[in-house]
Amino acid sequence: SAVISQKPSRDICQRGTSLTIQCQVDSQVTMMFWYRQQPGQSLTLIATANQGSEATYESGFVIDKFPISRPNLTFSTLTVSNMSPEDSSIYLCSVEGGRDGNSYEQYFGPGTRLTVT
Amino acid sequence: QKEVEQNSGPLSVPEGAIASLNCTYSDRGSQSFFWYRQYSGKSPELIMFIYSNGDKEDGRFTAQLNKASQYVSLLIRDSQPSDSATYLCAPRGSARQLTFGSGTQLTVL
Repeated sequence: SAVISQKPSRDICQRGTSLTIQCQVDSQVTMMFWYRQQPGQSLTLIATANQGSEATYESGFVIDKFPISRPNLTFSTLTVSNMSPEDSSIYLCSVEGGRDGNSYEQYFGPGTRLTVT
Repeated sequence: QKEVEQNSGPLSVPEGAIASLNCTYSDRGSQSFFWYRQYSGKSPELIMFIYSNGDKEDGRFTAQLNKASQYVSLLIRDSQPSDSATYLCAPRGSARQLTFGSGTQLTVL
């Protein structure tokens, strides 16, 4: 499978500030996604990061709050803007496709644990 | 109605037993279905996926899919304490996104 890294692994931020999370993959992948996992909850898709075009956001998530960049096929960033305590979550990037070219499999990065005070 | 429903947990099974995890989904357009295992404090780890009706086996794991009933399950044979985790079912949508169920927490005693 693809090797996925995220930075930072965790952070504690003050409300009203913004944090940019980076996701790096060791091979080119077509599809990259960003998910949120709130405490004790399952995963919710925030958006699909499209290379060379705007991200596609799910219902309830907007670009002004969660701007996403995807400059190439191995890298993406998610920014959590104007943070509030409700944004405290684990943020995960995922990619579709592995080293063997299997386009079905979707793998997750290690996650970024964000706490907003 | 939730899009993806999993059997409520927590589920406890004795070591060596078969653990059965169930999932129903509402999107008839879903063509492939993923099972992930998530240990506490870790990110989800892909166990297996299935896209054809019937059974698919991988080691101690067997996924079963019935599209007519909109039902997918995961059987874990010879359960081990290391299998204790939360198991997440996730149908894949037409835009290739995954929709996750709430998960079933499994404890192997």
